[in-house]
Amino acid sequence: EPEVTQTPSHQVTQMGQEVILRCVPISNHLYFYWYRQILGQKVEFLVSFYNNEISEKSEIFDDQFSVERPDGSNFTLKIRSTKLEDSAMYFCASSEVGFTLSYEQYFGPGTRLTVT
Amino acid sequence: AQTVTQSQPEMSVQEAETVTLSCTYDTSESDYYLFWYKQPPSRQMILVIRQEAYKQQNATENRFSVNFQKAAKSFSLKISDSQLGDAAMYFCASFGNEKLTFGTGTRLTIIP
Repeated sequence: EPEVTQTPSHQVTQMGQEVILRCVPISNHLYFYWYRQILGQKVEFLVSFYNNEISEKSEIFDDQFSVERPDGSNFTLKIRSTKLEDSAMYFCASSEVGFTLSYEQYFGPGTRLTVT
Repeated sequence: AQTVTQSQPEMSVQEAETVTLSCTYDTSESDYYLFWYKQPPSRQMILVIRQEAYKQQNATENRFSVNFQKAAKSFSLKISDSQLGDAAMYFCASFGNEKLTFGTGTRLTIIP
């Protein structure tokens, strides 16, 4: 069964450093998402991406964040200058938009980001 | 704007018994979808069940079923014949305006 993959599974970085989290969505999916979950809290929406541009973003997704689909398979989240409060699990998700208009989002296993 | 509320931070159930997890939501969308996700200790988000708001019939997936009350904006999850593998955090979520909005979750413990 197709699945969303994410790399790395765990990233440790120092405050102020840039990090890039990578995701490979399911191949025929057209909508891509990033969510984050601070330990012990709920999952929060960051951004959605469709047709090579951001279609929706939350107030969390400020100028420190950017997303990109550099090729036909990868979808990346970049944090330019990490802060301690960016420590969280980051989930990538994708969904198929087509005839059935399925809104089911398939989640990757997550990347645990630790900022020290 | 959408909000999802789960009022039970923790629930426990005896193995093989039935448990119901509560969820209420609010949305201004006319067309929306509701989901229950399971998050085991690995923290992977696993879809349990989905309900289209325009469908009156409650969704079922094997031992999992929902009670969808659209007028009351209620979307509870019933787990029948609870198994040890059901132990996890359960998140209720609504989809609208191109994003999922999650509740704060219910931690389900299964008592052997």
